[in-house]
Amino acid sequence: KAGVTQTPRYLIKTRGQQVTLSCSPISGHRSVSWYQQTPGQGLQFLFEYFSETQRNKGNFPGRFSGRQFSNSRSEMNVSTLELGDSALYLCASMSGMNTEAFFGQGTRLTVV
Amino acid sequence: GESVGLHLPTLSVQEGDNSIINCAYSNSASDYFIWYKQESGKGPQFIIDIRSNMDKRQGQRVTVLLNKTVKHLSLQIAATQPGDSAVYFCAEKAAGNKLTFGGGTRVLVKP
Repeated sequence: KAGVTQTPRYLIKTRGQQVTLSCSPISGHRSVSWYQQTPGQGLQFLFEYFSETQRNKGNFPGRFSGRQFSNSRSEMNVSTLELGDSALYLCASMSGMNTEAFFGQGTRLTVV
Repeated sequence: GESVGLHLPTLSVQEGDNSIINCAYSNSASDYFIWYKQESGKGPQFIIDIRSNMDKRQGQRVTVLLNKTVKHLSLQIAATQPGDSAVYFCAEKAAGNKLTFGGGTRVLVKP
């Protein structure tokens, strides 16, 4: 059974640009959550999607958005990139409520 | 507000000894807790979980203890091995599938 797949693994973008990250959850998992990990703030919840609907949202500005497709694959988008958006973006896949969350390897985004 | 914190940022342990990593949480509504291990360059790896209706759960070489009275969670690793060197995070879940993570503890295993 394949794990959570995130693409790309690494990205370098310039301030002001936008970026789209992709996550394919474990087969059969319908919940996909996104997290931002930085040395200063640790792991912070961005949002969760379940059956193509955003079910939960963290405290991030509107520049951060996401969506989920009918096959449960999810994308997140960050517009008007800032230097502070440099981080490891992690996707987590869950089969249901109160079940373990499995993480992908993450996408390392560097904004210059 | 919700917060999950760790008391020790770095834990050095001799190979073969037991490790104990502690975590305090503040949301009494949290009903599910997970410990993750993160190695350099990788995403967090699930270690063990525990639901709020339990106070202890054991896995392979790991034990999680939950004390709801003082909102404290701990992870015990038996016979620590070099491969256990990593950063360990506790996480709590109260509503939906949102996980709130602690700051992490780095475990260094000395040969």
